[in-house]
Amino acid sequence: DVKVTQSSRYLVKRTGEKVFLECVQDMDHENMFWYRQDPGLGLRLIYFSYDVKMKEKGDIPEGYSVSREKKERFSLILESASTNQTSMYLCASRVTSEAFFGQGTRLTVV
Amino acid sequence: GESVGLHLPTLSVQEGDNSIINCAYSNSASDYFIWYKQESGKGPQFIIDIRSNMDKRQGQRVTVLLNKTVKHLSLQIAATQPGDSAVYFCAEFRGSARQLTFGSGTQLTVLP
Repeated sequence: DVKVTQSSRYLVKRTGEKVFLECVQDMDHENMFWYRQDPGLGLRLIYFSYDVKMKEKGDIPEGYSVSREKKERFSLILESASTNQTSMYLCASRVTSEAFFGQGTRLTVV
Repeated sequence: GESVGLHLPTLSVQEGDNSIINCAYSNSASDYFIWYKQESGKGPQFIIDIRSNMDKRQGQRVTVLLNKTVKHLSLQIAATQPGDSAVYFCAEFRGSARQLTFGSGTQLTVLP
């Protein structure tokens, strides 16, 4: 079975903290994505990566960075967490038009 | 800006009826259009896709129709069941940009 695993289901962090969200896939996919999901706004693309050490900005990259040191792992970094980054974060990987998603990380910044 | 969107944020149907969920898009350069289903507490799950050079594709109980003239995409679910209650997203994939872009979603509620 295909698997995309996000390291945490729920996280609570303080404003100003550096936050790491980890995502691992076991399908040897080249393409990986980070989205945030907010009510009424659907899934918005933050960053994606099409190869190791390659990254491209999505629609809302401000306040975020990413790291792809190994093919199976794609990390999302909040350099200095703010309350407006409270959201559900979804990681995905794909090789064709079908993307596989993790279960999501609900991040609350207080 | 957003290149795919959905017409209605919510849709309620009676169990056993057919459901039609609509989506509009603006980007003619898309390679694929895809429908995803997201159940409560889970990540989105792939349902069906359609290449941009096709008009119709059928799966198990689902049919996707693509009207390129009016840039409209629909997902039809036959004999809707309680397990179909979820948020449905349309998405577009552009290989040249490697991006997968989602619309805002429609919450489908199946009434007993």
